[in-house]
Amino acid sequence: SQKIEQNSEALNIQEGKTATLTCNYTNYSPAYLQWYRQDPGRGPVFLLLIRENEKEKRKERLKVTFDTTLKQSLLHITASQPADSATYLCALGPGGSYIPTFGRGTSLIVHP
Amino acid sequence: DGGITQSPKYLFRKEGQNVTLSCEQNLNHDAMYWYRQDPGQGLRLIYYSQIVNDFQKGDIAEGYSVSREKKESFPLTVTSAQKNPTAFYLCASSAGLGVTDTQYFGPGTRLTVL
Repeated sequence: SQKIEQNSEALNIQEGKTATLTCNYTNYSPAYLQWYRQDPGRGPVFLLLIRENEKEKRKERLKVTFDTTLKQSLLHITASQPADSATYLCALGPGGSYIPTFGRGTSLIVHP
Repeated sequence: DGGITQSPKYLFRKEGQNVTLSCEQNLNHDAMYWYRQDPGQGLRLIYYSQIVNDFQKGDIAEGYSVSREKKESFPLTVTSAQKNPTAFYLCASSAGLGVTDTQYFGPGTRLTVL
């Protein structure tokens, strides 16, 4: 069955360092992958979309990579700040329509 | 001020009662969605609607019902048939169902069954 795996353990890092969050998938051939940020008790907020034929995408301090051979996407947050502390969800979409499947998310905690 | 609103933020229900969660958007979006989120789990799709007067079941539609009589509104009813309704419910909307049509989420409703 299709599976999306995100690390269930929280990622703790020091302010200023680069945070790297991982999204792995199996039995899936996604046409695109999205990353969302979710703060406690709130709805997710869209960050970035990367298509299957794109290797890398950047937006401000965010960089997303997509390796369809490894079946993995990485979200890098450079110069991390305590305000970046949140849960980060990845979502994979099939071709055609926009009904992505979400992973469980990984919690990021940035310590001052 | 455009956006998507959900009410109430917290909802308590006795077992055996139906309850309706509200979702309204003023983004002029055609598509709307309902997701359920449980602790440690990803968002699971309950229902979605591409246009007014049309909706489709998602992965976990059993025990839920929806209506889409107006473009801006997509209420979700949690019926007594839903075995484990306590969860965080999220409504979302998007311009359409294309790949680049970003989903915008509401603030969520936390439902607790007593």
